Amino acid sequence: EDQVTQSPEALRLQEGESSSLNCSYTVSGLRGLFWYRQDPGKGPEFLFTLYSAGEEKEKERLKATLTKKESFLHITAPKPEDSATYLCAVQAQGYSTLTFGKGTMLLVSP
Amino acid sequence: DARVTQTPRHKVTEMGQEVTMRCQPILGHNTVFWYRQTMMQGLELLAYFRNRAPLDDSGMPKDRFSAEMPDATLATLKIQPSEPRDSAVYFCASGTRQPNNYGYTFGSGTRLTVV
Repeated sequence: EDQVTQSPEALRLQEGESSSLNCSYTVSGLRGLFWYRQDPGKGPEFLFTLYSAGEEKEKERLKATLTKKESFLHITAPKPEDSATYLCAVQAQGYSTLTFGKGTMLLVSP
Repeated sequence: DARVTQTPRHKVTEMGQEVTMRCQPILGHNTVFWYRQTMMQGLELLAYFRNRAPLDDSGMPKDRFSAEMPDATLATLKIQPSEPRDSAVYFCASGTRQPNNYGYTFGSGTRLTVV
């Protein structure tokens, strides 16, 4: 059974204070690892897909990296508008469905 | 921007009543998912369809939940009878067969409260 564990559950940062979110996974053959952002009262919004260990993708202040067991979402010099819940999900080879972690709730204070 | 439309956004109902949630996937997307989100369990897959055919509904309580796609522009999730433990946010998502670099697109959800 595919499993995704995200840590920490919640993270509070000051504006400009860089940090990383962790996503540990077990899957029977990884096809893709996905990062989503979810704002209160809204559905998850797609950020990145990573396919193989060593891959990195960037978008503004966010950078996602992937190893064979985990992924990190690095947030550089965050702003209050980066406050959201960040969700990690895995897709196994041969499947279309995504298995999600419970998310990390990020709060960035001015 | 193309979007997945879910209705209603909020629903409060009494235990035992029937609830129907609707989803309009993005035009051209042939894969549709229903997920349920709670604080305790996070996002859980309930069912998914490809080309309107149900492929997996193992996440749904079969005795009370049903999911259908009457046509390519409409997916429905029905609960009958509803119970307080069904209170959650229900999301519909759509995409192509493999999400690749675009992921799946989620709707804004239906927040269901069963009292």
